[in-house]
Amino acid sequence: GQNIDQPTEMTATEGAIVQINCTYQTSGFNGLFWYQQHAGEAPTFLSYNVLDGLEEKGRFSSFLSRSKGYSYLLLKELQMKDSASYLCAPLNSNYQLIWGAGTKLIIKP
Amino acid sequence: IAGITQAPTSQILAAGRRMTLRCTQDMRHNAMYWYRQDLGLGLRLIHYSNTAGTTGKGEVPDGYSVSRANTDDFPLTLASAVPSQTSVYFCASSVASGSASTDTQYFGPGTRLTVL
Repeated sequence: GQNIDQPTEMTATEGAIVQINCTYQTSGFNGLFWYQQHAGEAPTFLSYNVLDGLEEKGRFSSFLSRSKGYSYLLLKELQMKDSASYLCAPLNSNYQLIWGAGTKLIIKP
Repeated sequence: IAGITQAPTSQILAAGRRMTLRCTQDMRHNAMYWYRQDLGLGLRLIHYSNTAGTTGKGEVPDGYSVSRANTDDFPLTLASAVPSQTSVYFCASSVASGSASTDTQYFGPGTRLTVL
């Protein structure tokens, strides 16, 4: 079957660093997306990884290990506006995104 | 229009009524998608269209139908609404030119539907 596993909720302090983990099992694999979703809003694209390793984009970085079925999103210098849900979504062999329930990140001053 | 729009923003509907959710994109994307999002669950794909004139069933298609008469529009119809269809509905689109890197999906603002 296809399965995505992320923590339901995490709390971090403004200015700190947080790592959101995601493990996945899919029918085939064509890369993995991370999306950000603020409460009451639509998901917005953050990153895409298809090769193993770390992709850095400003304060956000995303890591992929295909052999382990594992990815993480690293957020540095946390700001209050980073309070949101973060969705992990691998792309399967049919080029369909398989969505996790998301991790709700709460930033405290 | 810039990007992808949905209408209505929200709707309260009596059970048994027919309802069409509208979705329009101006990015000339090939593929379009309809998802529903319920509390505690991931986005679930209802129907999709890889190109104008074609549609396919997703994970939860029962009770819903779609059409794709042209590139820009992808309406979702609930023939006879039931309370379990209460949800937030998102439309999305992607270039989908055959390369996974072009499969980034861009989402509309969503429609919040309540079926009583």
